[in-house]
Amino acid sequence: GDKVKQSPSALSLQEGTNSALRCNFSIAATTVQWFLQNPRGSLINLFYLVPGTKENGRLKSAFDSKESYSTLHIRDAQLEDSGTYFCAAEAGGSNAKLTFGKGTKLSVKS
Amino acid sequence: EAAVTQSPRSKVAVTGGKVTLSCHQTNNHDYMYWYRQDTGHGLRLIHYSYVADSTEKGDIPDGYKASRPSQENFSLILELASLSQTAVYFCASSEGDRQYFGPGTRLTVL
Repeated sequence: GDKVKQSPSALSLQEGTNSALRCNFSIAATTVQWFLQNPRGSLINLFYLVPGTKENGRLKSAFDSKESYSTLHIRDAQLEDSGTYFCAAEAGGSNAKLTFGKGTKLSVKS
Repeated sequence: EAAVTQSPRSKVAVTGGKVTLSCHQTNNHDYMYWYRQDTGHGLRLIHYSYVADSTEKGDIPDGYKASRPSQENFSLILELASLSQTAVYFCASSEGDRQYFGPGTRLTVL
């Protein structure tokens, strides 16, 4: 099965609303990264997380290594938040290798 | 933020031909990675390197070779391109933590 499972696979939001994306891990993740692939195809690194929480503007992410999951919260969604969000986990001793989930496709509508 | 560039940005190759994809980074990162992305999927690691003149196999190395002649440059080589290698290829670099991605190379094998 998938080592990194993302949910939901797709999501449609109205501008100004909030949402949460989730990743569950079946590997012993030690760090997590979240990326946004924008409609042009570029991959933008949003967060690098050790266990704990980080916030950046309207985005907030948490990583719980004991319960093997991570979340990405989007507050006050904007049109430019549209794209596909990927989480990726590094397992201990993996030499900085990442295992990616299959992504959550987010569409923000006005 | 690391600057990672890739060339070519797109390429059409014939089955059985040799293809070389190039990646260049300008931030003195030790780690470099090659991933492939297939439509509707996350990224999968092909090869990576943590020091010049040395490469390591990732999760899907079959049919690919890699070369790291210097800290700045990392190439992916398809000796005998096949139809199944049609994909978008991304290069990334890091210092062992946050990964920064290049713009991608769209490869079509006919």
